[in-house]
Amino acid sequence: SAVISQKPSRDICQRGTSLTIQCQVDSQVTMMFWYRQQPGQSLTLIATANQGSEATYESGFVIDKFPISRPNLTFSTLTVSNMSPEDSSIYLCSVGTGVNNGYTFGSGTRLTVV
Amino acid sequence: GENVEQHPSTLSVQEGDSAVIKCTYSDSASNYFPWYKQELGKRPQLIIDIRSNVGEKKDQRIAVTLNKTAKHFSLHITETQPEDSAVYFCAASIGGTYKYIFGTGTRLKVLA
Repeated sequence: SAVISQKPSRDICQRGTSLTIQCQVDSQVTMMFWYRQQPGQSLTLIATANQGSEATYESGFVIDKFPISRPNLTFSTLTVSNMSPEDSSIYLCSVGTGVNNGYTFGSGTRLTVV
Repeated sequence: GENVEQHPSTLSVQEGDSAVIKCTYSDSASNYFPWYKQELGKRPQLIIDIRSNVGEKKDQRIAVTLNKTAKHFSLHITETQPEDSAVYFCAASIGGTYKYIFGTGTRLKVLA
């Protein structure tokens, strides 16, 4: 399975600022996604990162708040913009190599907004 | 919209006993059902999956069953060990797409 490097692993940020999270995969992958996991909660899909085009966002998530880039088949970034304490969460990238093959998750970024 | 319900939310078993976690889904077009294990502070890891054309799949001490008519699927862990302690998430594909919706998780504690 793909090896994913996600950075940073954690950060503490001031409200009103932005943080960019990077996800690097060791091989080309068809699908890349960004998830949010609030403490003790399940995984919620934020968006699908599309290579060479705008990301596809799920209900409740918008591009202005969570801009995503995917310049190639091995790399993506998620920015959390104008942060508030409610954005404190774990953000995970995940990759898939085909429909019905399961995802591999990155190690996650634990974000605390103060 | 699509929904996946997972029960129980917590489960404690004695070492060596079996554990069963159950999920129901709402989307009749779902055709792929993975299970993930998440240890404290770590990433979710795929432990087993099942496709809609199969009723049961087994991998050593872990098995998954699927009842498409009733729209439910279950994870069975036999001969539980302390290292099985973790949070387990079920998921279902949204239709035939590559997107999944996750259940709410089950915290499994295996008591030595």
